[in-house]
Amino acid sequence: DVHLVESGGGLVQPGGSLRLSCAASGFTFRSYGMNWVRQSPGKGLEWVAYIGTRISDIYYADSVKGRFTISRDNARNSLHVQMNSLRVEDTATYYCVRGRLYYMDVWGNGTTVTVSS
Amino acid sequence: SYVLTQPPSVSVAPGQTARLPCGGNEIGSQTVQWYQLRPGQAPVLVIYNDDVRPSGIPERFSASGSGHTATLTISRVEVGDEADYYCQVWDRSGVHPYWVFGGGTKLTVL
Repeated sequence: DVHLVESGGGLVQPGGSLRLSCAASGFTFRSYGMNWVRQSPGKGLEWVAYIGTRISDIYYADSVKGRFTISRDNARNSLHVQMNSLRVEDTATYYCVRGRLYYMDVWGNGTTVTVSS
Repeated sequence: SYVLTQPPSVSVAPGQTARLPCGGNEIGSQTVQWYQLRPGQAPVLVIYNDDVRPSGIPERFSASGSGHTATLTISRVEVGDEADYYCQVWDRSGVHPYWVFGGGTKLTVL
């Protein structure tokens, strides 16, 4: 079975940093692009970042560009996102999602990030 | 940037057919996906490539699209179908690709 398990969420003050991780299993991780998608409380889904099989293929949503950095470790089957200069509006459940180019076929259960003073 | 518009809520009685619209400029020429979100559960892809059901998704789920509207249709609705549903397209019109989601529709099964 394909599994994606996120970790690293928590409470952080505005301006702070947090690093989320995603452990992948059940598929050939290095062969797939990967995404982070978030859902803020009471709001809809928002794509955050994508990293392709080639490290050069990295894209960010405008709302996080310059503050978030997505990365992957194919040797450890893991996906990460380093989140800096966090804002209250970054409060959300963050999902690790397997990409199939223009769509996303497998989602993790999510990890919750709360940005508050 | 590309915008997808969904009604906040749709209600339907069990056994009836639910139709969930997703509006977007010339969305009929886009490839549309649909996701199901139940509280406390991982989101699930229910339709990709406009009208393809992933393995394990019941035949009751179907989708279509033309012009400025795509529609997810759920036939013979069950209580277990109650969830939030999101449409999504891949927008390549900008500087880089963008995965765009609609605002979501809450399906209530009365």
